[in-house]
Amino acid sequence: GNSVTQMEGPVTLSEEAFLTINCTYTATGYPSLFWYVQYPGEGLQLLLKATKADDKGSNKGFEATYRKETTSFHLEKGSGQVSDSAVYFCARSLRDSSYKLIFGSGTRLLVRP
Amino acid sequence: DAMVIQNPRYQVTQFGKPVTLSCSQTLNHNVMYWYQQKSSQAPKLLFHYYDKDFNNEADTPDNFQSRRPNTSFCFLDIRSPGLGDAAMYLCATSVRTANEKLFFGSGTQLSVL
Repeated sequence: GNSVTQMEGPVTLSEEAFLTINCTYTATGYPSLFWYVQYPGEGLQLLLKATKADDKGSNKGFEATYRKETTSFHLEKGSGQVSDSAVYFCARSLRDSSYKLIFGSGTRLLVRP
Repeated sequence: DAMVIQNPRYQVTQFGKPVTLSCSQTLNHNVMYWYQQKSSQAPKLLFHYYDKDFNNEADTPDNFQSRRPNTSFCFLDIRSPGLGDAAMYLCATSVRTANEKLFFGSGTQLSVL
């Protein structure tokens, strides 16, 4: 089937600690992969994406690499900031539908000073 | 500067009483989506419009309907809300496909009493 699995939250870190949020997907075909972020009181917004194997998406200090061999797209940041506190959603596209994204259930990240 | 606007932010309705949620966009995007998100779960696509072409997801209950009178506006109608329909409803847009980027509104939190 088509699914996206994220690590359960909340994930709590101290400021400047290394940050990682795991995401794995079930693969039929070659989906595009995405990370969306939702800050408190706001809508989801695209953080980064990767469209093929070994691509690395990056934005605002975050990175994620499309790993076909492990069907993973883990989100990482070398030094977390308090302002990174939000809910992060991993998502994948479907080969047979250009309009549908399959989202994971989200991981709440809390970065403390 | 809000680009996808959802009103109201919170909506309370009674069991069985029809309710309409609204979404407007200033982006002039071709595609508009409605997602349902229950607490701690992944956003689930209900349907989308490509221009005036309506596309329903196979597992979307008949209780949910949608209207798009023009490019800018899209409505979600719940004909007879049940307690299980209490959720956050997210509107999103894209130029063409979801493989590009989705622009989300802040959502409407629906409560059913």
